[in-house]
Amino acid sequence: GESVGLHLPTLSVQEGDNSIINCAYSNSASDYFIWYKQESGKGPQFIIDIRSNMDKRQGQRVTVLLNKTVKHLSLQIAATQPGDSAVYFCAVSDYKLSFGAGTTVTVRA
Amino acid sequence: DTGVSQNPRHKITKRGQNVTFRCDPISEHNRLYWYRQTLGQGPEFLTYFQNEAQLEKSRLLSDRFSAERPKGSFSTLEIQRTEQGDSAMYLCASSLRGASGADTGELFFGEGSRLTVL
Repeated sequence: GESVGLHLPTLSVQEGDNSIINCAYSNSASDYFIWYKQESGKGPQFIIDIRSNMDKRQGQRVTVLLNKTVKHLSLQIAATQPGDSAVYFCAVSDYKLSFGAGTTVTVRA
Repeated sequence: DTGVSQNPRHKITKRGQNVTFRCDPISEHNRLYWYRQTLGQGPEFLTYFQNEAQLEKSRLLSDRFSAERPKGSFSTLEIQRTEQGDSAMYLCASSLRGASGADTGELFFGEGSRLTVL
């Protein structure tokens, strides 16, 4: 099955700085990718998605980059805020979502 | 609130007891998924339904686990003879996809049902 891994389990970032979270996947045929945010005690919340026919997609303060050559995905958060503190998961989709282990982002005031 | 609803939110039970969780998806969503999440890990796929049909079950879903979606709306996940290793958060998610949809589409998750087996 699909294997999804995140490069760093934790990330500490100063408020106002940009955050970058990286993810690798194993299946070169994967076509659809999603980033989720999970706050303590809550279910995962959709942030942004991207399909394999795109290299970059932007949302509000977030950008997802997809490099299919090296099977790498990243999430960039601009001007990180305290409310961005959470666990972030990348997920690869076929008929189900396969999640990585998550990166815990802590925002320092 | 028209999101995915799960109950109970918390369940504490003794080893060997049976437990049942309920999920009410977003009303027009035809796909429903169950995931299990343990501390520090990402959600792990258990099973999913397209309408009332259960189309895939993970090897994680032992014969003590059973999921149903009898009318293609709400779903239940039952765990029989619970074991301490069953302690986890059980997440339900739903999406709207065509029958030929090859991917999940955006999954909307509920807040989860946390199970503690003593």
